[in-house]
Amino acid sequence: DTGVSQNPRHKITKRGQNVTFRCDPISEHNRLYWYRQTLGQGPEFLTYFQNEAQLEKSRLLSDRFSAERPKGSFSTLEIQRTEQGDSAMYLCASSGGLSGTNEKLFFGSGTQLSVL
Amino acid sequence: AQKITQTQPGMFVQEKEAVTLDCTYDTSDQSYGLFWYKQPSSGEMIFLIYQGSYDEQNATEGRYSLNFQKARKSANLVISASQLGDSAMYFCAMRELLSISGGSYIPTFGRGTSLIVHP
Repeated sequence: DTGVSQNPRHKITKRGQNVTFRCDPISEHNRLYWYRQTLGQGPEFLTYFQNEAQLEKSRLLSDRFSAERPKGSFSTLEIQRTEQGDSAMYLCASSGGLSGTNEKLFFGSGTQLSVL
Repeated sequence: AQKITQTQPGMFVQEKEAVTLDCTYDTSDQSYGLFWYKQPSSGEMIFLIYQGSYDEQNATEGRYSLNFQKARKSANLVISASQLGDSAMYFCAMRELLSISGGSYIPTFGRGTSLIVHP
């Protein structure tokens, strides 16, 4: 169990540029979640995959955001035409086994995005 | 309306003492799960403890215990014998049977409480 891995750890970009983050979940986990966390706030749900299917998307996920999980393994989160309000920590989490209310998440260390 | 409310932005505790971090939740579901996660300065969220809505006993995991009061919809985290390494952000979260569009279990998090343990 190598844990959830996220790359890069930090990303600094200029407003208007596109950025892409990668998440490698725990290998046997079929469920993958993306959250966004700003300073002083808890994680806010963005999107959820079960295997390769994107089953849930938050209203927070504007048209500039897109996420994929080809082949049900790693996932990418792309932000197009970044804005300063996109500056945040982007967290990825995974889980496996039977889906239920007792299912805990395993988180990566996050990607800290700064938009200048 | 907030699903998870953590009213304490910051808490201070002396090393070796116990501390309680408050969490109240809002749900109309009968089946749900409550979680506490710890987030040190490194950023990675770490699972601490889980309580199911049907569990009659309060959950315990080592120095962590969850004071579950279902009628009051509260799920407070108690950390006994605090250690310097307990200094971190603590998040309460809830997992409901129905999510945004139904059928999925999407955890919702509170705003967190910053705990500082003094030597």
